[in-house]
Amino acid sequence: DIVMTQSPDSLAVSLGERATINCKSSQSVLNSSNKKNYLGWYQQKPGQPPKLLIYWASTRESGVPDRFNGGGSGTDFTLTISSLQAEDVAVYYCQQYYSPPLTFGGGTKVEIK
Amino acid sequence: EVQLVESGGGLVQPGGSLRLSCVASGFTFSNYAMNWVRQAPGKGLEWVSSISSTGGGTYYADSVKGRFTISRDNSKNTLYLQMYTLRVEDTAIYFCAKVGEDNSSWRAFDIWGQGTRVSVSS
Repeated sequence: DIVMTQSPDSLAVSLGERATINCKSSQSVLNSSNKKNYLGWYQQKPGQPPKLLIYWASTRESGVPDRFNGGGSGTDFTLTISSLQAEDVAVYYCQQYYSPPLTFGGGTKVEIK
Repeated sequence: EVQLVESGGGLVQPGGSLRLSCVASGFTFSNYAMNWVRQAPGKGLEWVSSISSTGGGTYYADSVKGRFTISRDNSKNTLYLQMYTLRVEDTAIYFCAKVGEDNSSWRAFDIWGQGTRVSVSS
């Protein structure tokens, strides 16, 4: 099974500042044939289902603000919120969909400092 | 509007059974693989099961293998999760989720339902 490890568990960032979340997979999620990383990022606010932000590690889902950016390849990935807004307070999860069992990271809680 | 609506959750005793349903609308259901994901109270997300667009391929987390069965009825735009021999640790909100690309199994989940709550307790 591919284990997804997120860090930090939580972080507090001032409004307008950058927030960076890390996600590491125990094995590569890069498909060598299509050169795509099978890695997604989700945002979950209290009482709501998760919302897809980023897929293929760096492709922003339609309607997602451009302050959300995904990067990385292979086993190391990041989600960056370039200028934190109040509405970005949430828990963020990475997920590999390279092979079953599909696995999520443990989540990173983002708060306002 | 693309929508997924789950139902069938409730309170059940350990060892009991439940069948969850997820009705899809706003897209061609039969073209998309579907998934169940659960979230225990105060915990993170756990993938439970996936099914291909035709229903010919099914996949399960080890924690539910042999106890849960995923299925779909494309004529009714409905996804199911039949749960047997339920355990206290199966207590969670169960979400159904659609993959983001048709005729593909392994893709990110672009649409999620609101979830249905399952409580397993004596």
